[in-house]
Amino acid sequence: TQLLEQSPQFLSIQEGENLTVYCNSSSVFSSLQWYRQEPGEGPVLLVTVVTGGEVKKLKRLTFQFGDARKDSSLHITAAQPGDTGLYLCAEFKAAGNKLTFGGGTRVLVKP
Amino acid sequence: DVKVTQSSRYLVKRTGEKVFLECVQDMDHENMFWYRQDPGLGLRLIYFSYDVKMKEKGDIPEGYSVSREKKERFSLILESASTNQTSMYLCASSFPGRETQYFGPGTRLLVL
Repeated sequence: TQLLEQSPQFLSIQEGENLTVYCNSSSVFSSLQWYRQEPGEGPVLLVTVVTGGEVKKLKRLTFQFGDARKDSSLHITAAQPGDTGLYLCAEFKAAGNKLTFGGGTRVLVKP
Repeated sequence: DVKVTQSSRYLVKRTGEKVFLECVQDMDHENMFWYRQDPGLGLRLIYFSYDVKMKEKGDIPEGYSVSREKKERFSLILESASTNQTSMYLCASSFPGRETQYFGPGTRLLVL
């Protein structure tokens, strides 16, 4: 089973600061997803990246997939308290329709 | 609007009790999943189902069973609850071959 490592485990920043969280794997991802989970809710899909070197933007969030497809990062610019949550990366494998999740990064943005 | 609902948000049970967690989706999805979520471990797949009356073991099926009698409903059963099953349980659903899974709000289970 592929292991997905996320770092850091916890991040606390002030509103307006930037942050980056990382997702790394021991082997090549076929397809990588990023989710955000707010307190008391289930995870919600933010983005899927498939191609090595791919960059996707979602407002203030920038997602990057490594050239070798073994790592990914999520960068938030000018973080806001609404960005607070648990950020999870997950690999999707079409064979089996299954997701394998990393341990998550808990982000706290203080006003 | 897609909707996955779970029968309880919070549940407290005693060791040895039989526990039923229910999940209902209104999107006509074939695939349904049960995960447990523990701090630092992310989500781990317990069981999944591709169709009615069909089930497959996930990564951590021990101590759990499932039932899927209707397409929209997927139940997780703890035959004899133990304290190490205290956790957040999340249900999800998806269309076959589609990458997006839709999650319910979760059930936080405490086993005393």
